Amino acid sequence: GNSVTQMEGPVTLSEEAFLTINCTYTATGYPSLFWYVQYPGEGLQLLLKATKADDKGSNKGFEATYRKETTSFHLEKGSVQVSDSAVYFCALSAGSGGGADGLTFGKGTHLIIQP
Amino acid sequence: DGGITQSPKYLFRKEGQNVTLSCEQNLNHDAMYWYRQDPGQGLRLIYYSQIVNDFQKGDIAEGYSVSREKKESFPLTVTSAQKNPTAFYLCASSLDRGPRYGYTFGSGTRLTVV
Repeated sequence: GNSVTQMEGPVTLSEEAFLTINCTYTATGYPSLFWYVQYPGEGLQLLLKATKADDKGSNKGFEATYRKETTSFHLEKGSVQVSDSAVYFCALSAGSGGGADGLTFGKGTHLIIQP
Repeated sequence: DGGITQSPKYLFRKEGQNVTLSCEQNLNHDAMYWYRQDPGQGLRLIYYSQIVNDFQKGDIAEGYSVSREKKESFPLTVTSAQKNPTAFYLCASSLDRGPRYGYTFGSGTRLTVV
């Protein structure tokens, strides 16, 4: 079946540091890949997505590239801010070939940015 | 603006009571989902529905029930059979069953047993 593995947290960084949160996946077919962000006490918000191999999703300074050869979708940001502190979820959709129960999520990575 | 509305934001339940969490969307999405999130944990799928009058159990459906009488609405009832209901509940919707373009989430309901 489909699965998503992401690095466990919490990840603690200083402001302006470079961020990488690793995400690897297992899926049949050609999934779409997503990063969601959850701020305390709120629902999840779509941060970025990529729907085919070699696509790069980007938003708010965050980027992730769909690497089919390594089955990865690592999230990066060049200079993090305190306001980026949140929980980040990697997810995949198996698309029309499957995924009857929707998205498959990783367990989430708690990111803490210290001033 | 289109979106998903969950209500109430906070809900308190006494032992042995059933409570219903509301989820309404005006996005014209076909599919809707309910997830449970425990502190420091990921998301666990409770139920999902791909069309009106049809729904399927997810990974942790025991002690929960749903209905899908209208496309816009997917309420979740937490029954007295759910032994540990204290959690954060998230509703989501997607345009299609894929869902190739991801979910839209509501802002969640925090349920506490008192």
